[in-house]
Amino acid sequence: GAGVSQSPRYKVAKRGQDVALRCDPISGHVSLFWYQQALGQGPEFLTYFQNEAQLDKSGLPSDRFFAERPEGSVSTLKIQRTQQEDSAVYLCADRTGRVTGELFFGEGSRLTVL
Amino acid sequence: GQQVMQIPQYQHVQEGEDFTTYCNSSTTLSNIQWYKQRPGGHPVFLIQLVKSGEVKKQKRLTFQFGEAKKNSSLHITATQTTDVGTYFCAGKRETSGSRLTFGEGTQLTVNP
Repeated sequence: GAGVSQSPRYKVAKRGQDVALRCDPISGHVSLFWYQQALGQGPEFLTYFQNEAQLDKSGLPSDRFFAERPEGSVSTLKIQRTQQEDSAVYLCADRTGRVTGELFFGEGSRLTVL
Repeated sequence: GQQVMQIPQYQHVQEGEDFTTYCNSSTTLSNIQWYKQRPGGHPVFLIQLVKSGEVKKQKRLTFQFGEAKKNSSLHITATQTTDVGTYFCAGKRETSGSRLTFGEGTQLTVNP
C-alpha cells in the first residue's frame, strides 16, 4: 500500500477484554515498530520487527502484551485482559529511510478501556 | 534507562514571534530526530541530525545538535498558524539497536 494502515482506528473495550490491533505496513518494507502514546505524552517504544523476526520486545509493559508478524508483512498487537492504564493510541511505524532511518507512522489505533 | 527531556512543555506565541524547544538526553546519542504532530494526527518526521554541532535549516526551522551529542534544539522564526502542533525530539543511542526514545514534546499554539 501507499502508507502504513492501522485498524481499527478506534476501539472501546471493557476492562478484562482482549483486543487485537492490526498494522499493514508499506509493501516490501522490512522494519516495523509499535509505539504506545498516552494522552499528552510522547510515543513510547513497545517492540520492533525485522521481517518476521521480533528483534526487540523490551518495551512491552507486561506479559499481557503480545505482538506478531508471522509472514513479515501485516503485524498484530494483542492486549489480553485490558486494564484502564492500557488506554492510549497505539502507533505502528515502518522505517522508510534506509540512510536516515526516519519512522513513517500510521494514523494509530485509539484504545479506550472502560 | 535512557531519558529524553524536552522543555518547555507548552508554548503560546503570537503569530510572527519566534519559538524554540530544547531537548536533553541523559546519555550520548548517535543521532536525534525531530517530529511534528498536529492535533489529532500522528507524528511526522521533520529531520535527522547525526554530527556533533550539526545545524540544519528547513525554511523557517533551524535544528541544532549539541557538541556533546546530548542536546538539541528546534527554532522556528516568525511563527505562522500552520506551525501549530506538538514537536517531539527522538534520540537513538549506539547501543539501543533500532529503538528511538521520544521526549514528552512541546505543544505550540499560535495566536493569529
